[in-house]
Amino acid sequence: GIQVEQSPPDLILQEGANSTLRCNFSDSVNNLQWFHQNPWGQLINLFYIPSGTKQNGRLSATTVATERYSLLYISSSQTTDSGVYFCAVEGDYGQNFVFGPGTRLSVLP
Amino acid sequence: GAGVSQTPSNKVTEKGKYVELRCDPISGHTALYWYRQSLGQGPEFLIYFQGTGAADDSGLPNDRFFAVRPEGSVSTLKIQRTERGDSAVYLCASSLDNLSYEQYFGPGTRLTVT
Repeated sequence: GIQVEQSPPDLILQEGANSTLRCNFSDSVNNLQWFHQNPWGQLINLFYIPSGTKQNGRLSATTVATERYSLLYISSSQTTDSGVYFCAVEGDYGQNFVFGPGTRLSVLP
Repeated sequence: GAGVSQTPSNKVTEKGKYVELRCDPISGHTALYWYRQSLGQGPEFLIYFQGTGAADDSGLPNDRFFAVRPEGSVSTLKIQRTERGDSAVYLCASSLDNLSYEQYFGPGTRLTVT
């Protein structure tokens, strides 16, 4: 099945810093989503982005489907951005929705 | 409108007991998914419903796990003869239609088997 990798596994930032999280996947995809899992465990939808670029406030994402990767950009980070960021994909052949291992982000005041 | 809801939020049960976990999807969403998340890991797919039927149950770990969606809305995940290894957070998600639509997740049920 499709494999999903995320980097870095852990990231510590000072408040106000910018960061880039990466998601690599092993096959072409129909669906790609970025989620933020907050400290209470809730998965919050950030982007539905199987291709192209989207922006929402301080967050933006780019997926280059032909090169099989997606990037999540966080600008001017805040302590409330802390948590785990997951990339999840569905392959072209009707495969299950597969999650990456996540990037754990800690933003320090 | 209301999001995906799951009940109970926490469930503690003894090894060997039977449990049921409930998921109420977003109104109008025909696709419903169950995932399991162990500590420190990403969610893992269990089963996917399109309407009333299980379109893909390949993620169910063994025959102690079963899920139903009799009217195409609410779903129940059933676990028989629970084992300590079943302890995890069970997440439900729904989407407007099939797998190529955005999925929205509920808050999860934390299951602890003692």
